[in-house]
Amino acid sequence: DAKTTQPNSMESNEEEPVHLPCNHSTISGTDYIHWYRQLPSQGPEYVIHGLTSNVNNRMASLAIAEDRKSSTLILHRATLRDAAVYYCIIDYGQNFVFGPGTRLSVLP
Amino acid sequence: GAVVSQHPSRVICKSGTSVKIECRSLDFQATTMFWYRQFPKQSLMLMATSNEGSKATYEQGVEKDKFLINHASLTLSTLTVTSAHPEDSSFYICSARADYFLQETQYFGPGTRLLVL
Repeated sequence: DAKTTQPNSMESNEEEPVHLPCNHSTISGTDYIHWYRQLPSQGPEYVIHGLTSNVNNRMASLAIAEDRKSSTLILHRATLRDAAVYYCIIDYGQNFVFGPGTRLSVLP
Repeated sequence: GAVVSQHPSRVICKSGTSVKIECRSLDFQATTMFWYRQFPKQSLMLMATSNEGSKATYEQGVEKDKFLINHASLTLSTLTVTSAHPEDSSFYICSARADYFLQETQYFGPGTRLLVL
């Protein structure tokens, strides 16, 4: 049971921002939110993670709702290389549970 | 960022043979390593969790005698698929975590494509 809900697929135009949503209503106070992405025939690549405050790194930003029941991964300017399956994962302890993720298509 | 390698990247074997896949953390010590399996067009499914120096914990439905895991050091874990059959053909991915209590994330290897003929 992944315990996260993401749209199956999204489309974006190149060089436009992309907001990838994730619902995680059963999250508890100490559970971290992780985002990974996976290109075909590759292992998942770490994108970003956070607990309560919004987080920024060179790849993306993570906006976490005040009640922590949802979060949004923000790619500020999508490129063709950002086309991948994006997974939102709640760290309940030692194990990650992968849901189906969101398949992001980037149109030139 | 932390780097995890896997070897081999792909392997083809005959039914009934055993295959060993190595997972190494190259620039950090991994207290915990994880093995996942991914079938085409599906998400990753956790097979087992291993801590250095102790027995692996297998997920429900994963045969421990078929998928042997050895986490002999803080930088190396191996998965051996014993008596492989065509239904074991899949993409096997490992990940490594430095220390959960420091809220370290998992770093994934590039995966190993196994094809059993």
